[in-house]
Amino acid sequence: DAGVIQSPRHEVTEMGQEVTLRCKPISGHDYLFWYRQTMMRGLELLIYFNNNVPIDDSGMPEDRFSAKMPNASFSTLKIQPSEPRDSAVYFCASSHRDRGLRGYGYTFGSGTRLTVV
Amino acid sequence: GNSVTQMEGPVTLSEEAFLTINCTYTATGYPSLFWYVQYPGEGLQLLLKATKADDKGSNKGFEATYRKETTSFHLEKGSVQVSDSAVYFCALSDRTGGFKTIFGAGTRLFVKA
Repeated sequence: DAGVIQSPRHEVTEMGQEVTLRCKPISGHDYLFWYRQTMMRGLELLIYFNNNVPIDDSGMPEDRFSAKMPNASFSTLKIQPSEPRDSAVYFCASSHRDRGLRGYGYTFGSGTRLTVV
Repeated sequence: GNSVTQMEGPVTLSEEAFLTINCTYTATGYPSLFWYVQYPGEGLQLLLKATKADDKGSNKGFEATYRKETTSFHLEKGSVQVSDSAVYFCALSDRTGGFKTIFGAGTRLFVKA
């Protein structure tokens, strides 16, 4: 398995532009998570899906952020319009529960480094 | 609610020194506990895990024991290498949290040759 695949690896955009980040989870994983990492705030959970359904989006900063998972093998995180304070590394992770329903640990992608100028 | 507290860094050690990174947790249920490692420019990688009290997780010379009585999961390694320089995250998940993983703030480790 190629692991969790994110694209692009780097994105530089101007303030006000729309940005779309993409993620392909590991086949067979039924949980998908979007995280944001900054020096100031550390690792923040934005939203997560179970079986393609959004379960908790309480970490999404504001209405400029939206996420979709149209099928089990693809998810997007969109920022529209983007602002300089959105500059961060965005990670996607996938997981599944073990037979004891105890959580198996996450597999993270390599991240997308977003810079909004 | 659930939370994880780990020692602040950075931690600077010489090669072959003994490493301990402290981690304590608060949880309402019976969580699984994890250590993740993040190398520069990469995503987090699962290093080891333990799912019940007194379990010991181990990988690549690193170990951590799930101590329910002290609500701790300290990471140890007997002899660190320069290649161990990274940020280490302690984490937990349980059913009451909807299987979300709660991460600590991370501890940066520098190992000098």
